[in-house]
Formats: sequence, structure tokens, C-alpha cells
Amino acid sequence: GAVVSQHPSWVICKSGTSVKIECRSLDFQATTMFWYRQFPKQSLMLMATSNEGSKATYEQGVEKDKFLINHASLTLSTLTVTSAHPEDSSFYICSARDLRGGSTEAFFGQGTRLTVV
Amino acid sequence: GENVEQHPSTLSVQEGDSAVIKCTYSDSASNYFPWYKQELGKRPQLIIDIRSNVGEKKDQRIAVTLNKTAKHFSLHITETQPEDSAVYFCAASKGDGGFKTIFGAGTRLFVKA
Repeated sequence: GAVVSQHPSWVICKSGTSVKIECRSLDFQATTMFWYRQFPKQSLMLMATSNEGSKATYEQGVEKDKFLINHASLTLSTLTVTSAHPEDSSFYICSARDLRGGSTEAFFGQGTRLTVV
Repeated sequence: GENVEQHPSTLSVQEGDSAVIKCTYSDSASNYFPWYKQELGKRPQLIIDIRSNVGEKKDQRIAVTLNKTAKHFSLHITETQPEDSAVYFCAASKGDGGFKTIFGAGTRLFVKA
């Protein structure tokens, strides 16, 4: 299957600082990328959908000014957690699709474990 | 928006037995239903998927059934093995939503040797 690489795999940051997470599709062009947050022993909660070259669509209850998403190219999307607080500590994971050609399968990055201290 | 419910939350079976996980979805326009297996701290891995124009799909020990009328779909694992132990998520998505995927709450499967 296609490869999606997410970086970093883990990060520890101080409260009040910002953290950027990158999601790259290595061998295909990702027309659409999705960002999820997963708390321990819980499901993946969709945060936002981003299409290359346009603004992200955020799910209800997700603060767009806190979770900045950029999808500037067909192979890269970034999620920036601004002014992080301990409650933002979670596992963030991206997935990517190439919707051209009718493909429906989503490929996931390996996830980023964020710990805010 | 779409809501996916998944049961049971925990399932313990003896090695060799079958395991069944059931899901329901709310949006009748959903047309793609993947199942993922996630091991601790790792990314979800697609194990099988089904589209709305198909009622059943099988891949070796894994099968999925879909009842569009009832908006139910199920995962069946036969001849379970200890390495099947993981968390399994069902999900639903639709094309006009860019195929954004909404996940069920997950089922933690334990296969006892």
C-alpha cells in the first residue's frame, strides 16, 4: 500500500508553546488529508479535513485558531497546535487519500504522541 | 453528521473460536465501510473494506457483511489466533464528504491461547 510518513513520532513541549506536526505522502499525491486525535483507549476523533490548496474544514467543536492546518502541496499537510496546554496531550494521526481515479482507501501516518508539560 | 456505534467494547474469545463485531451507522448516504486493526501505539491498519453495492466480502479468515436497509455492518473473524488480539475499529464514509472517515468507538479483542 501507499506510504504516509508523519513527523515527529513523539514530542514533549512546554505549556504555551506551539508544536508543528508534518504528514507526508511519500509515493502518491494526497488530494485530501485528514487529521485525527486519539486519547488513550478511545477512538479516533476527526478534527479536520484538508484539501490541497484550500482551507481546512473543521469538525464541530474543534478550534481552528488553535489547530492550524496547512495543505500547501499534494504531498504535505501540517498541523500546528498553538499555545499548547496539558489537555492537548494526545495521539495525533493523519490519513491521506488520492481521490483521483476513484480510490477510497485511506493510508495512515504512524501518529505523533504529544505531551504538554 | 455521521455517527457510528460499535459493539462490544471488549471481546474475549478462546483461540480457534470466532469473533464478531457489530456496527451501525446513521447516515444512509455512507457508501464505504472500512475496518481497521490497531495495535498499541501504532497506526490503524486496514484489514478489509466493503462498499455499499456489496452485501458481503471475505478475505481468508476475515469477512464483512453489510445490511444497507438496517444500516448495520459486521466483522467476522474465524479461527482466531493470539496475534489477532488488538483493537478493531469500524468506520463509515461517503464520497460527497471527500470520504472523510468516521470511526466507531473500537473493540478490544483478546484471544486467549
